Amino acid sequence: QKEVEQNSGPLSVPEGAIASLNCTYSDRVSQSFFWYRQYSGKSPELIMSIYSNGDKEDGRFTAQLNKASQYVSLLIRDSQPSDSATYLCDVTAFTKAAGNKLTFGGGTRVLVKP
Amino acid sequence: DVKVTQSSRYLVKRTGEKVFLECVQDMDHENMFWYRQDPGLGLRLIYFSYDVKMKEKGDIPEGYSVSREKKERFSLILESASTNQTSMYLCASSSPGYEQYFGPGTRLTVT
Repeated sequence: QKEVEQNSGPLSVPEGAIASLNCTYSDRVSQSFFWYRQYSGKSPELIMSIYSNGDKEDGRFTAQLNKASQYVSLLIRDSQPSDSATYLCDVTAFTKAAGNKLTFGGGTRVLVKP
Repeated sequence: DVKVTQSSRYLVKRTGEKVFLECVQDMDHENMFWYRQDPGLGLRLIYFSYDVKMKEKGDIPEGYSVSREKKERFSLILESASTNQTSMYLCASSSPGYEQYFGPGTRLTVT
């Protein structure tokens, strides 16, 4: 079992709809959670970071974290064709004993159709 | 503005050559990372460094080594390049526990 799991997609959504992406992780020590967007041929760029349980909203994006169930999700409201990209979930743990442990999911490809 | 730069965008090398990929960050970050990214395989960690002269193996360190002599610079070394090391190489930096900032990537082709 991978440490961080994402559905590879593609997740196809019509323009204007909500895209819902999920990420599950296995390490209960995980403390920091990030969503990155990566366009084809480009580097990943940060969209959202979340550190505590609950929802965090930034514009059309909402990250949701549930540490008890070990999942983090990303909602994209009013999806636009420019949102078509691969979305990477990054789960990071840092403890003095474990050092810096970080794991990326395989990414979910999102296609927004006009 | 945050910046991570990589020495080359495109590189073509021959099998058996020694290859150096360099990464520089200007954010005074403690952590630096080297990844490779291949279609269908996602982002895979090769090595990371959490301090000058300190390094940790990632998921796929075989065939690679790294060097971090200064805080801002992290080098990836392919001692003897092979065709299966043809890939996109991404460097990143971060403060511990915080988001990573990625460089533009180096597309390496080994022929």
